[in-house]
Amino acid sequence: AQSVTQLGSHVSVSEGALVLLRCNYSSSVPPYLFWYVQYPNQGLQLLLKYTSAATLVKGINGFEAEFKKSETSFHLTKPSAHMSDAAEYFCAVIPTGNQFYFGTGTSLTVIP
Amino acid sequence: DGGITQSPKYLFRKEGQNVTLSCEQNLNHDAMYWYRQDPGQGLRLIYYSQIVNDFQKGDIAEGYSVSREKKESFPLTVTSAQKNPTAFYLCASSIFQQGGQPQHFGDGTRLSIL
Repeated sequence: AQSVTQLGSHVSVSEGALVLLRCNYSSSVPPYLFWYVQYPNQGLQLLLKYTSAATLVKGINGFEAEFKKSETSFHLTKPSAHMSDAAEYFCAVIPTGNQFYFGTGTSLTVIP
Repeated sequence: DGGITQSPKYLFRKEGQNVTLSCEQNLNHDAMYWYRQDPGQGLRLIYYSQIVNDFQKGDIAEGYSVSREKKESFPLTVTSAQKNPTAFYLCASSIFQQGGQPQHFGDGTRLSIL
């Protein structure tokens, strides 16, 4: 079955430190990949998407993600964490067609 | 501004009662989706619709019903058969013409049991 795995349900970083949120997918073909952010009591907001045009994808709010086919990974990074980055982050994959599969989410805490 | 509007933001259900969650979009998107979100479980698909007057069950459709009479609207009814309805419900939409299109989300409805 196609799926996406987010390693670490909770991640804490200090303000100004590197943010690294991990996502691995299982797919026999290069899929479409997405990262979303969710703030408390709100819907999901698209951060970035990979659609095979480039392996390094830049998104909003200074986030970026790199597609690595050999590692079946699509990790999300940000060089310097800000307090406003504290939120829940979801990785999602479309293996084929239009069916989305979401990871279980990673809660990011930023320590001042 | 285009977007997805979910209402109400908070909803309370009594035992044995059906309740309906509203979802309206003005993005001219073909496809619409309903998800249930529980802590630590991510998003689980309840129903989706790719075209007016047609919809398919997702992974957890039991105890829920939907309709798609208009392109803009995709209401979800939580029936009394859903024994554990307390959750955060999210509606989403997307263009359906080709693969790889992102889903756009509303701000959710939080349903609780009285």
